[in-house]
Amino acid sequence: DADVTQTPRNRITKTGKRIMLECSQTKGHDRMYWYRQDPGLGLRLIYYSFDVKDINKGEISDGYSVSRQAQAKFSLSLESAIPNQTALYFCATSDGGSKTEAFFGQGTRLTVV
Amino acid sequence: GQQVMQIPQYQHVQEGEDFTTYCNSSTTLSNIQWYKQRPGGHPVFLIQLVKSGEVKKQKRLTFQFGEAKKNSSLHITATQTTDVGTYFCAGPLGGGSNYKLTFGKGTLLTVNP
Repeated sequence: DADVTQTPRNRITKTGKRIMLECSQTKGHDRMYWYRQDPGLGLRLIYYSFDVKDINKGEISDGYSVSRQAQAKFSLSLESAIPNQTALYFCATSDGGSKTEAFFGQGTRLTVV
Repeated sequence: GQQVMQIPQYQHVQEGEDFTTYCNSSTTLSNIQWYKQRPGGHPVFLIQLVKSGEVKKQKRLTFQFGEAKKNSSLHITATQTTDVGTYFCAGPLGGGSNYKLTFGKGTLLTVNP
């Protein structure tokens, strides 16, 4: 089983719908991240969390919200999806110490029509 | 704001040619990491550099960290078709323990057999 699991892997939704992307990890890491990937724009940070009680906005948080339900779970919500949120979304985790290597989930391909 | 910049955005080579991608940070980094994303896949950690002027090798891949710890490079000698993918650098921006792992936009490498 993957250490970082994202569900769903693919999703098509309509404009205005609420959608939640889920991420769970078995690595025991405190830090979790949500990134968005668009062609030519690389990986842009949406939100990140250092622990259950700590949530921080990334560079493109508008239109998104997150919930850290437990150390192992970090979900990303689009309250009212719009077409320009069509992208590949990645969840990642890392150790909070000097080992900042990130482990990524398989990604969720979201299409908003 | 603090950024991690990467060039070139794209590089197409003939199999057997060398390839280099460059990464620059707007601020001094405690470490720099490199990731590879195969087409259709997720980013996978390759290596982390920590020391000023550090050079590390992984088979045909050579990674360097600049003396000022603000720039880095990845060089691939004699590319193979298995090297195809997007290469990202990433650095912990934000300072201290409250960093956010920030990625460059990546370099997409294609190899003509």
